[in-house]
Amino acid sequence: DGGITQSPKYLFRKEGQNVTLSCEQNLNHDAMYWYRQDPGQGLRLIYYSQIVNDFQKGDIAEGYSVSREKKESFPLTVTSAQKNPTAFYLCASSIEGAVSSYNEQFFGPGTRLTVL
Amino acid sequence: AQSVSQHNHHVILSEAASLELGCNYSYGGTVNLFWYVQYPGQHLQLLLKYFSGDPLVKGIKGFEAEFIKSKFSFNLRKPSVQWSDTAEYFCAVKVNTDKLIFGTGTRLQVFP
Repeated sequence: DGGITQSPKYLFRKEGQNVTLSCEQNLNHDAMYWYRQDPGQGLRLIYYSQIVNDFQKGDIAEGYSVSREKKESFPLTVTSAQKNPTAFYLCASSIEGAVSSYNEQFFGPGTRLTVL
Repeated sequence: AQSVSQHNHHVILSEAASLELGCNYSYGGTVNLFWYVQYPGQHLQLLLKYFSGDPLVKGIKGFEAEFIKSKFSFNLRKPSVQWSDTAEYFCAVKVNTDKLIFGTGTRLQVFP
């Protein structure tokens, strides 16, 4: 089955610890994205990557870091500098990035991170 | 900065009632418009999209949306809702770049 997988589904961490969320896609998509979803705030873009070895900050990148060493993988690290890390994190991908506007984004099942 | 507004935060309907969810955006140029739906415990999935052409767009499960350029709106409609339509609905806009700008979402509850 083609799709986007995120692991784990639920994650608990102590305050002050860095944590890495996994996102893998086998859709052969060039572009990948990380969003944060909070109640009443919709989805907000954290980071995105249009191509391997390249990524850009989204609207709320502070306290987060990413890497894009492989086309199919786009892990997100929530660092201790993120002041309010407890949230639902969604990964998405699309065929192309800025080249075309006709591409919808496909979303993974999400990871719910709780920092204690 | 571009923004997307969904004024209905929580909508409660009985089955067979008609639905209209509002979506307005702030951008004067060419836009691509989307409605996504998130059913309880499921992935966010595309309901419908508008790129060009007929401003009345039909999506899955009987949903449709109308793009009214003069009003900067892309409202979602369904003539008769079902209990299974209970979900959170997100309007999103893509302007020039590959970034999607999402609205805050509308939670729809449909009672039998």
